[in-house]
Amino acid sequence: KQEVTQIPAALSVPEGENLVLNCSFTDSAIYNLQWFRQDPGKGLTSLLLIQSSQREQTSGRLNASLDKSSGRSTLYIAASQPGDSATYLCAERNNNAGNMLTFGGGTRLMVKP
Amino acid sequence: DGGITQSPKYLFRKEGQNVTLSCEQNLNHDAMYWYRQDPGQGLRLIYYSQIVNDFQKGDIAEGYSVSREKKESFPLTVTSAQKNPTAFYLCASSSRQGRGNTEAFFGQGTRLTVV
Repeated sequence: KQEVTQIPAALSVPEGENLVLNCSFTDSAIYNLQWFRQDPGKGLTSLLLIQSSQREQTSGRLNASLDKSSGRSTLYIAASQPGDSATYLCAERNNNAGNMLTFGGGTRLMVKP
Repeated sequence: DGGITQSPKYLFRKEGQNVTLSCEQNLNHDAMYWYRQDPGQGLRLIYYSQIVNDFQKGDIAEGYSVSREKKESFPLTVTSAQKNPTAFYLCASSSRQGRGNTEAFFGQGTRLTVV
């Protein structure tokens, strides 16, 4: 069964720092990987989607990379702001798992002013 | 506006009652999903549907039921057989694999509490 792991579970940084969130997955037959943001008590907001044929995607201060051979994706946040404080989740869609998304446990990010 | 709408936002259930959570999407997506989220935990798949009139159990389907009579709608019923239903429920939709961009979109969630 596909497993997706996110480390660290929680992260606290001062405002302005660049930071990296990690996501690892066990099955390399990946179809795509999606990063989400979740604010407390809210639904998930899609941030970036990386297809299996791509190595990275960028949106504003966010950059997501994908390395299928090592089973890893990273979300890079540049010049962090207090408004970036939220839980970040990655989800993998796999060729061997039908049409389902498998989620990691998330990284809870706190950016301090 | 295109998107996914979940209702109600908050729902209270008495012991022994069945309750139904609504999920509607106007994104023309074939696939729809229900997830459960418990405090401090990730998302666990309850049911999913890839096409109208068809659905499959996820990892934690016991005590839940769904229907998919219309492409736009995927209601979830939490039955009295679900012993610990208090949780945050999230609905999502996407295109099916092999049919274009499969980016998944989520509703704003329904918080269910047993009273």
